[in-house]
Amino acid sequence: KAGVTQTPRYLIKTRGQQVTLSCSPISGHRSVSWYQQTPGQGLQFLFEYFSETQRNKGNFPGRFSGRQFSNSRSEMNVSTLELGDSALYLCASSLDRAGGPDTQYFGPGTRLTVL
Amino acid sequence: GQSLEQPSEVTAVEGAIVQINCTYQTSGFYGLSWYQQHDGGAPTFLSYNALDGLEETGRFSSFLSRSDSYGYLLLQELQMKDSASYFCAVSWIKAAGNKLTFGGGTRVLVKP
Repeated sequence: KAGVTQTPRYLIKTRGQQVTLSCSPISGHRSVSWYQQTPGQGLQFLFEYFSETQRNKGNFPGRFSGRQFSNSRSEMNVSTLELGDSALYLCASSLDRAGGPDTQYFGPGTRLTVL
Repeated sequence: GQSLEQPSEVTAVEGAIVQINCTYQTSGFYGLSWYQQHDGGAPTFLSYNALDGLEETGRFSSFLSRSDSYGYLLLQELQMKDSASYFCAVSWIKAAGNKLTFGGGTRVLVKP
């Protein structure tokens, strides 16, 4: 099976712009989560989508949003970019079997640089 | 609050054994996971403990003790390719679905 794919891999934007990142989960995986990784804050949970609905949300401002499509592919959007949004954005997918949290499989990430 | 503490860096030689501790100040979590991340790469799943005790997966083992609020990852027979960052993470009971809270990560440097 192909792994989690993310596009684009690298992105450079300027302050005030907006950006959309894409994630295609492993085939059959219905849950997609997004994480932000920075040297200062580490890996932080942004949100999780399941069946096209946001199921969990982290402590990020409303400028960060996402959605999931019927084929489980997901996008996240960051509006009004700030310098502090420069980070590696990771997408992770899981089967979401009944009975509790499931192993998450991460994509290679999108490296966003805000100038 | 929810926090997981790990040592920031560990250095060891090939063939050695390294133990990475993860202490936490939280409760109500479902299980403790470990992930490996090489520089420039994605985190990859290593091990998961839902119950107290030891889980062994090849050269890697993970341990959890809820009563001691403590877990560890044991890397045996270290190889150069094990140089990477290692993260512990908890998944939560009360949140339906998947949400991981990560520790700050431990950078392991393996020397010849």
